[in-house]
Amino acid sequence: ETGVTQSPTHLIKTRGQQVTLRCSSQSGHNTVSWYQQALGQGPQFIFQYYREEENGRGNFPPRFSGLQFPNYSSELNVNALELDDSALYLCASRIGTEETQYFGPGTRLLVL
Amino acid sequence: KQEVTQIPAALSVPEGENLVLNCSFTDSAIYNLQWFRQDPGKGLTSLLLIQSSQREQTSGRLNASLDKSSGRSTLYIAASQPGDSATYLCAVLRDNYGQNFVFGPGTRLSVLP
Repeated sequence: ETGVTQSPTHLIKTRGQQVTLRCSSQSGHNTVSWYQQALGQGPQFIFQYYREEENGRGNFPPRFSGLQFPNYSSELNVNALELDDSALYLCASRIGTEETQYFGPGTRLLVL
Repeated sequence: KQEVTQIPAALSVPEGENLVLNCSFTDSAIYNLQWFRQDPGKGLTSLLLIQSSQREQTSGRLNASLDKSSGRSTLYIAASQPGDSATYLCAVLRDNYGQNFVFGPGTRLSVLP
């Protein structure tokens, strides 16, 4: 157990809709990263938040956005869903720049 | 742009065999390299972390090596067991601040009883 939880575990949406995925980290974990993992591929970095500010972003369009809250929870929001957004979404948290990141179990999103 | 590849894509071995998984990366300017395990539909579990200045790390039956100059890492699993069946991912970290892991596509391992 990593102490990182994600909700929901599974989600089905239709193209064009909006979705919010949630991640709850361990107390004190003020850095959270989000990854998208398509079937059969490795995870791809979406963005990272540190103390409620985005401080790093991968090659994802602005319709992928996030929030981090003072209670060590965070959200990933995706607008105007596309079929290719179907994937497993993982969050990972850590304390500051410590090297050990703790991954949640993921949310599997299916866009029809 | 950093690219990470893993060979083989899938591997099936009988229980008890020793095996080697390979990882290659194109940019040698890395902060560290990590090997992860992923069970079907689940998150990632960190197995071994090698700093850029290190050559290898060991944990139990697992040994990972790093040759930064050639852009290669190997994960050696000794005396494989059915419980080792999973996907193994390697990931490189360019820096420890705003950037994050670049993952390979993984090697799917099946250890047959």
